[in-house]
Amino acid sequence: DVKVTQSSRYLVKRTGEKVFLECVQDMDHENMFWYRQDPGLGLRLIYFSYDVKMKEKGDIPEGYSVSREKKERFSLILESASTNQTSMYLCASSPAGNSPLHFGNGTRLTVT
Amino acid sequence: QKEVEQNSGPLSVPEGAIASLNCTYSDRGSQSFFWYRQYSGKSPELIMSIYSNGDKEDGRFTAQLNKASQYVSLLIRDSQPSDSATYLCAVNERIKAAGNKLTFGGGTRVLVKP
Repeated sequence: DVKVTQSSRYLVKRTGEKVFLECVQDMDHENMFWYRQDPGLGLRLIYFSYDVKMKEKGDIPEGYSVSREKKERFSLILESASTNQTSMYLCASSPAGNSPLHFGNGTRLTVT
Repeated sequence: QKEVEQNSGPLSVPEGAIASLNCTYSDRGSQSFFWYRQYSGKSPELIMSIYSNGDKEDGRFTAQLNKASQYVSLLIRDSQPSDSATYLCAVNERIKAAGNKLTFGGGTRVLVKP
């Protein structure tokens, strides 16, 4: 089975802090994704990567950056956390081609 | 902006009945379609994939795809209380030769009443 592991299940940070969310997958998947999920807004794509050191902006990249130095690891960075970034963050991976995504357990981030 | 539309529900069905969920999408070039189930507080889990027109059955689940009408549906037969969840429709968009991304609908909340 595919395993996508997110480093934290719950995280509380203060406004202005730099926040790192880590995601690791163990299936040698080419594609990795970061989504956020908010009530009433559904799942929205922040960034994705289809290869090491490659990144593409999703629908809501503002206020975020990403890093993919190794194939198995995809990090989401909040440069200066703000309260409107309080959300559930979901990492996912997929092989190349028209394949489904496999999600991690999510990180519920609260910015106070 | 590619769009995927679902009725938010809740869709209330009695135990043992058929739940019928619908999804429409805007991108005529989409080739892959997925249904995910998400329990409250949990991450989405894949329950069905469908790539060609027609029906695909897996246990109590049937996915139906009509590309001409840009419509995909999910039927849940013999609904059980454990099927109570939010069901997300997702549509693939090809970005690069090896890359793809999914656009998700807002989800349909299903409540199965004993």
